[in-house]
Amino acid sequence: RKEVEQDPGPFNVPEGATVAFNCTYSNSASQSFFWYRQDCRKEPKLLMSVYSSGNEDGRFTAQLNRASQYISLLIRDSKLSDSATYLCVVFAYNNNDMRFGAGTRLTVKP
Amino acid sequence: NAGVTQTPKFQVLKTGQSMTLQCAQDMNHNSMYWYRQDPGMGLRLIYYSASEGTTDKGEVPNGYNVSRLNKREFSLRLESAAPSQTSVYFCASSFQEAYEQYFGPGTRLTVT
Repeated sequence: RKEVEQDPGPFNVPEGATVAFNCTYSNSASQSFFWYRQDCRKEPKLLMSVYSSGNEDGRFTAQLNRASQYISLLIRDSKLSDSATYLCVVFAYNNNDMRFGAGTRLTVKP
Repeated sequence: NAGVTQTPKFQVLKTGQSMTLQCAQDMNHNSMYWYRQDPGMGLRLIYYSASEGTTDKGEVPNGYNVSRLNKREFSLRLESAAPSQTSVYFCASSFQEAYEQYFGPGTRLTVT
């Protein structure tokens, strides 16, 4: 079983839609959680950190569920520019490294 | 403020050739990382340097060596390239381990 698992998609949604991605992790010692965005043939860029209490940044909301070992990303009012691959990232101190999910591809259509 | 820079952007090697990928950051970060990204596999950690003077193996270190030259620079060396090392290589840095990482633009390497 992979340490970090994501639904690869693709998710194809119309502009204005709400879309949610989940990411599960296997290491219960995981301490830090992030969502990154990666455009085609570009480097990953930090979208947001995920805090225990959940956090929001504009149209984006991230949640953490430690009991079930998953994090989620909700995108409201999708824009064409949201089309990208979204990477879930988990850090565990007992591994001492970041583990990346393989990514979920989102395409927002007019 | 350039962030994380990597050279070269593209490289084609023949099997058995060697090369060094260069990475530098200007954010005064303590930790630096090398990843490879293959289709469907996500990013996998090759080596990392938690602080200047230290390096440690990641998930897929075989066939690679690294050098943390100073706080700014972290290089990745392929001593004898193999076709299985065809990949996109990303360097990243962070203030410390467990903090968010910032990535360079990547090196696209093809080994024939």
